[in-house]
Amino acid sequence: EDQVTQSPEALRLQEGESSSLNCSYTVSGLRGLFWYRQDPGKGPEFLFTLYSAGEEKEKERLKATLTKKESFLHITAPKPEDSATYLCAVANQAGTALIFGKGTTLSVSS
Amino acid sequence: GAGVSQSPSNKVTEKGKDVELRCDPISGHTALYWYRQSLGQGLEFLIYFQGNSAPDKSGLPSDRFSAERTGGSVSTLTIQRTQQEDSAVYLCASSLEVGELFFGEGSRLTVL
Repeated sequence: EDQVTQSPEALRLQEGESSSLNCSYTVSGLRGLFWYRQDPGKGPEFLFTLYSAGEEKEKERLKATLTKKESFLHITAPKPEDSATYLCAVANQAGTALIFGKGTTLSVSS
Repeated sequence: GAGVSQSPSNKVTEKGKDVELRCDPISGHTALYWYRQSLGQGLEFLIYFQGNSAPDKSGLPSDRFSAERTGGSVSTLTIQRTQQEDSAVYLCASSLEVGELFFGEGSRLTVL
């Protein structure tokens, strides 16, 4: 069964304190791993797509990496505006849906 | 508007009533998805529409749930005989590419 597990569930950082979020996945044939950001009361917002082990994508203070079993979202020198829930997802075998993890809620304080 | 539009944004109903939730996707997006998000839970896939193909209904939790997409555009999710466990935020998304979904802000359903 395709599965996505994210850790930690919650993470509190001071402004400027770098860290990483983890996404472990089990899927029969990876068709892409996707990161989203969700702010309270909003729908998720697409961040990155990763397709193969070793691939990296960057956007501002965020960098996503992929191995054969997990993905990391690295946050460098975070700011309070980076506070959100970060969701990881994989495409199902049929390519008809994304299977989401439960997310990591990041809080960055100044 | 340029984004995915959902209505109503909030719906409070009594147990046993039927509800309809509407989604207006981004123009030109061929794929449309419905997800459900409960407090403390991840996003739960409900149904997927792609062009004129038969929808993937594998995520619908019971036969009280149904959805249609008319003319390849607007979609309606219908929940019949609502139960308290149906309370959640129902999110609609549309896309052109696999994985890059554009979500609406959701319809929050509360069943009393």
